[in-house]
Amino acid sequence: AQSVTQLDSQVPVFEEAPVELRCNYSSSVSVYLFWYVQYPNQGLQLLLKYLSGSTLVKGINGFEAEFNKSQTSFHLRKPSVHISDTAEYFCAVSVSSASKIIFGSGTRLSIRP
Amino acid sequence: ETGVTQSPTHLIKTRGQQVTLRCSSQSGHNTVSWYQQALGQGPQFIFQYYREEENGRGNFPPRFSGLQFPNYSSELNVNALELDDSALYLCASSLVSGYYGYTFGSGTRLTVV
Repeated sequence: AQSVTQLDSQVPVFEEAPVELRCNYSSSVSVYLFWYVQYPNQGLQLLLKYLSGSTLVKGINGFEAEFNKSQTSFHLRKPSVHISDTAEYFCAVSVSSASKIIFGSGTRLSIRP
Repeated sequence: ETGVTQSPTHLIKTRGQQVTLRCSSQSGHNTVSWYQQALGQGPQFIFQYYREEENGRGNFPPRFSGLQFPNYSSELNVNALELDDSALYLCASSLVSGYYGYTFGSGTRLTVV
């Protein structure tokens, strides 16, 4: 079985500061990894995904993530955040591109001016 | 290209009642998945439909059931509603060979009183 752990439930940062949201996963088979963002009162939007190939994945809105197989991690980073990045971020895993997705419990990113 | 649309956006039901939630998948997508997101938690997989048949189910009781229609739209039915069923219900569509990942709708907020 697969599982996802998001190590921080809340991350406060100042505007224009860098941010890292941490994600670790557990799986006995190869996995696909995703980061989704959820703005208040909205559904989920895909930020980026790792399916294979380069371990550094670039997504929308200036976010990127690095797949580290040895540490079973897929941390999300942004070099400079904006007020508009305030949202809930979910790390997720699946064992194939169309099977069920297992989500972490989420990290709330709050940006201070 | 249309996205995933869900209806209704909000719903209030009484404990013991039955509810039907609807989802229109993104154009070209033939697989629909349903997720339950309780307040402050990550989405939990309910089930997935492909070619009008259930293609995987999470840890939800049989009173949660679904349908997929020939046009790939879908319904989620919940019988004998309980207070704990109050949540945001998310529909996601994808291709079976979904290299592009899932597209989520904005969800239906169900409140059981």
